[in-house]
Amino acid sequence: GQNIDQPTEMTATEGAIVQINCTYQTSGFNGLFWYQQHAGEAPTFLSYNVLDGLEEKGRFSSFLSRSKGYSYLLLKELQMKDSASYLCAVRPYTGGFKTIFGAGTRLFVKA
Amino acid sequence: KAGVTQTPRYLIKTRGQQVTLSCSPISGHRSVSWYQQTPGQGLQFLFEYFSETQRNKGNFPGRFSGRQFSNSRSEMNVSTLELGDSALYLCASSLAGTATYEQYFGPGTRLTVT
Repeated sequence: GQNIDQPTEMTATEGAIVQINCTYQTSGFNGLFWYQQHAGEAPTFLSYNVLDGLEEKGRFSSFLSRSKGYSYLLLKELQMKDSASYLCAVRPYTGGFKTIFGAGTRLFVKA
Repeated sequence: KAGVTQTPRYLIKTRGQQVTLSCSPISGHRSVSWYQQTPGQGLQFLFEYFSETQRNKGNFPGRFSGRQFSNSRSEMNVSTLELGDSALYLCASSLAGTATYEQYFGPGTRLTVT
């Protein structure tokens, strides 16, 4: 099965950089995802890693190490609107779009 | 292009009743997945439908069922509701059959069981 661990909460300051870690135990997966979810809203896709390494997308970057069972999401130049939950998720080898989510990390950005 | 739509947005039911939730995917998307989100358990996968067939299933009791129609619209049904079924039910659609990997989530149906 899959077990995904993330910190429950983090606090960071506007303009700073924050790294949200995700560790997982899984027998195999197609890719690792990061989603953002604002309170009361649906999750929105942020990034996707298939291979080891860093994927950069503007202020957001995501890193994957399959051998270490580890990923992180890096948010640069934090803005107040980045206050949200960040969900780490894996897609197991099932031939479909079944996705297993971690419990999420609530990020609070303070002025 | 219109996003994923879910109806109703809010629902209050009594224990023992049944409920049907509806999801209309983005036009052209053939895969629809359903998730349950609660504060305690987070986002949990219920099932996925593709071309009217259930392709994947999560670890939920048989009271949870779903189906997909030929136009890709999907419904999920929960019978004999329990208090613990109170949750946000999200559906997500994907453009299956290509190299795409993104799932687009609808706004969800907030179900309260009293």
